[in-house]
Amino acid sequence: DTGVSQDPRHKITKRGQNVTFRCDPISEHNRLYWYRQTLGQGPEFLTYFQNEAQLEKSRLLSDRFSAERPKGSFSTLEIQRTEQGDSAMYLCASSTLPTGINTEAFFGQGTRLTVV
Amino acid sequence: LAKTTQPISMDSYEGQEVNITCSHNNIATNDYITWYQQFPSQGPRFIIQGYKTKVTNEVASLFIPADRKSSTLSLPRVSLSDTAVYYCLVGDPLTPLVFGKGTRLSVIA
Repeated sequence: DTGVSQDPRHKITKRGQNVTFRCDPISEHNRLYWYRQTLGQGPEFLTYFQNEAQLEKSRLLSDRFSAERPKGSFSTLEIQRTEQGDSAMYLCASSTLPTGINTEAFFGQGTRLTVV
Repeated sequence: LAKTTQPISMDSYEGQEVNITCSHNNIATNDYITWYQQFPSQGPRFIIQGYKTKVTNEVASLFIPADRKSSTLSLPRVSLSDTAVYYCLVGDPLTPLVFGKGTRLSVIA
């Protein structure tokens, strides 16, 4: 298993364009999380899935953001009508169903989005 | 969610033991304490997790006093490659991780 994979690693887009990122979690991980991170800040939770069901979305998440996880495997995060404030690192993580101690989330290397 | 407070930054020389303390005064009964490490341009990586007393693995030790209102991550004999941001997280394992700003550790030769 090669870990959590994110594509693309870097994306530069013009303001107003739509972008889509993909995340391939570790096989058989039920949970998949999306985070956003800006310079000097910790990762900020966006949304997460348990299998194909989207269980929670951050209240801070604009309606321009949408995420899917068809068939409970890979996930996509789409940002419509991008704004300069969307420039950030978008991180994906996956985990098994939490059972308590040592439920570890595995993060991908992220997609760095730059909106110009 | 329990809020955590940790130093913004720390410096250490190579070979020293580094202790990073995290304060979480309103930790709940179901909450675990978890530490993650993050290098530049990479996603965070799990270091250690505990509920009470002491936990040790091949990378670090985690000390948790009886009242659980704080915890200390101990890194033995740090090297330059331990320069990273360290996050203390407190929460129910059933809920998504909530990160603060972390502690930026700089290891100096």
